[in-house]
Amino acid sequence: QVQLVESGGGVVQPGRSLRLSCAASGFTFRSYAMHWVRQGPGKGLEWVAVIWFDGSVKYLADSVKGRFSISRDNSKNTVFLQMNSLSPEDTAVYYCARDRGTGTPKSFEYWGQGTQVTVSS
Amino acid sequence: QSVLTQPPSVSAAPGQKVTISCSGSSSNIGNNYVSWYQQLPGTAPKLLIYDNNKRPSGIPDRFSGSKSGTSATLDITGLQTGDEADYYCGTWDSSLSTVVFGGGTKLTVL
Repeated sequence: QVQLVESGGGVVQPGRSLRLSCAASGFTFRSYAMHWVRQGPGKGLEWVAVIWFDGSVKYLADSVKGRFSISRDNSKNTVFLQMNSLSPEDTAVYYCARDRGTGTPKSFEYWGQGTQVTVSS
Repeated sequence: QSVLTQPPSVSAAPGQKVTISCSGSSSNIGNNYVSWYQQLPGTAPKLLIYDNNKRPSGIPDRFSGSKSGTSATLDITGLQTGDEADYYCGTWDSSLSTVVFGGGTKLTVL
């Protein structure tokens, strides 16, 4: 069965960095686009980033552009979210999600359980 | 302010039908597939509808989706107390080159 397991969350001070990982299993990882989606406390879903199946194309939300980056290692079935210059507004549960397709986003077919990121001094 | 507009809340009695709307523009809903997600309290979202009106395996046919122009709709019939959740619509925005979500709709089954 498809499994997505996020890790790397925690409490971090404003301005610091954090790297999230999402380990995938149960499917051919290299054949699917992957996303990060976040949800602030009491808020709705906010899409963060997508990476094409082969890593050739990446898109980021305006709210994180220039601070966050997405990458993947198809040999290790893992997708990453590097988060720099964190601010309290980045406090959220971060979900990893698998797309139904390889590139231009279609829908989030599978989701991880999420990892909590708290930015606070 | 979300790019896609959903009503903040809807409610209906058990056994009844509810409709959740999702309004966008030509750059998102008008030219891309819409998907719908259910988020039960304290859990990760789950895909309910993809490609406007298709259900993943295991999703009951009480859930149905449709799209017309720049709006989409999620219908839930035969409401059950277990359907109480937040529902989100989402799609790709070709102008922004981002995924956009609606603000979410909280369903209460009275």
